[in-house]
Amino acid sequence: AQKVTQAQTEISVVEKEDVTLDCVYETRDTTYYLFWYKQPPSGELVFLIRRNSFDEQNEISGRYSWNFQKSTSSFNFTITASQVVDSAVYFCALMETSYDKVIFGPGTSLSVIP
Amino acid sequence: EAGVTQSPTHLIKTRGQQATLRCSPISGHTSVYWYQQALGLGLQFLLWYDEGEERNRGNFPPRFSGRQFPNYSSELNVNALELEDSALYLCASSATGTSGYNEQFFGPGTRLTVL
Repeated sequence: AQKVTQAQTEISVVEKEDVTLDCVYETRDTTYYLFWYKQPPSGELVFLIRRNSFDEQNEISGRYSWNFQKSTSSFNFTITASQVVDSAVYFCALMETSYDKVIFGPGTSLSVIP
Repeated sequence: EAGVTQSPTHLIKTRGQQATLRCSPISGHTSVYWYQQALGLGLQFLLWYDEGEERNRGNFPPRFSGRQFPNYSSELNVNALELEDSALYLCASSATGTSGYNEQFFGPGTRLTVL
């Protein structure tokens, strides 16, 4: 059963617009980790952020911000003032306390149009 | 410090052949993970090796196998290749996966094309 859902398959925005990528996860563990990765056309996964289940503090890093809400099992990612270089596939992911693998969502393909 | 390396970058095979993909973990890491990213199927966990042992396996047929060497590098073997095996294969390494959380660091991937 899929445990990470990214309902948006593809998103297109015009440069400088803000965009939010949604992520909903499912787990029975009380301790778990959530991640966001960026995959540019080159294919390599670029780590963006890790959150553990006990840290619900939202985080901002430059133009990126993350909103973690345990009550709704969501871990959304917002890019402010998007740029063409932000065009990529973004994956939300989950690691449970088995620590044996990362469970990826299906990804959201973001296109930022100049 | 060198990251996770994978070879080859690209690999082209024909149906029925065997493919061997290689991964070198970050120095000091003992766990190696393999993931498959096939078109339309997203990133799926394949195999996990730690200290030379297979620790976990995803929902893949036995045609997919691998091993981990004493230096912790790893090989992924795909036998009797099928067209749908065409994918990007990503390797990741971590300090260990057997005692709590450790960050997985991903390599650049090997793109396998089956004709």
